[in-house]
Amino acid sequence: EAAVTQSPRNKVAVTGGKVTLSCNQTNNHNNMYWYRQDTGHGLRLIHYSYGAGSTEKGDIPDGYKASRPSQENFSLILELATPSQTSVYFCASGAAGTGEQYFGPGTRLTVL
Amino acid sequence: GEQVEQRPPHLSVREGDSAVITCTYTDPNSYYFFWYKQEPGASLQLLMKVFSSTEINEGQGFTVLLNKKDKRLSLNLTAAHPGDSAAYFCAVSGGASSSFSKLVFGQGTSLSVVP
Repeated sequence: EAAVTQSPRNKVAVTGGKVTLSCNQTNNHNNMYWYRQDTGHGLRLIHYSYGAGSTEKGDIPDGYKASRPSQENFSLILELATPSQTSVYFCASGAAGTGEQYFGPGTRLTVL
Repeated sequence: GEQVEQRPPHLSVREGDSAVITCTYTDPNSYYFFWYKQEPGASLQLLMKVFSSTEINEGQGFTVLLNKKDKRLSLNLTAAHPGDSAAYFCAVSGGASSSFSKLVFGQGTSLSVVP
């Protein structure tokens, strides 16, 4: 059974609209992460969290917010979506101090 | 901060041949090193984790070599088969400029194994 799930798997949004991407993990990991993957850039860290109630900025946080209401759930929020945010977004979870991260299936977001 | 350079970006080999992907990193304090595999349209799958200068054979047709002196990590597919066709990413964590909880990824290598 998949330990990291994401919803939706595909999303088409309009410029200026609000988008929320959701992630749920059953690994009981403290840490969770949001990445985007674009051709030529590999994976880039947007936001991450060390536990419920905490969010930290990653390497490319501009235009994104994150929310960690519980150990299991971590959301990525685009308040005003732009076409440059068209990408594939991956959520991951990891145990503190191990470096290992386990990825969800990804969400393909298209902003028109 | 930590920089990870992965080469080559694209690699095509014949079935049965070996394929080598190499990453170099900059932070000498980096501690954990990973290889991930991503099949087309799929997520990233953790292949293996290393943290000491050692050669590891996971029994899946892969050998990983970490050389901390040269700050170099390599993945060697000893006898590639078409099922190995995928993107491969190295990742590094634990350096002084990051933390054990954050990964810095290489740019990825797209491997194609031709029958």
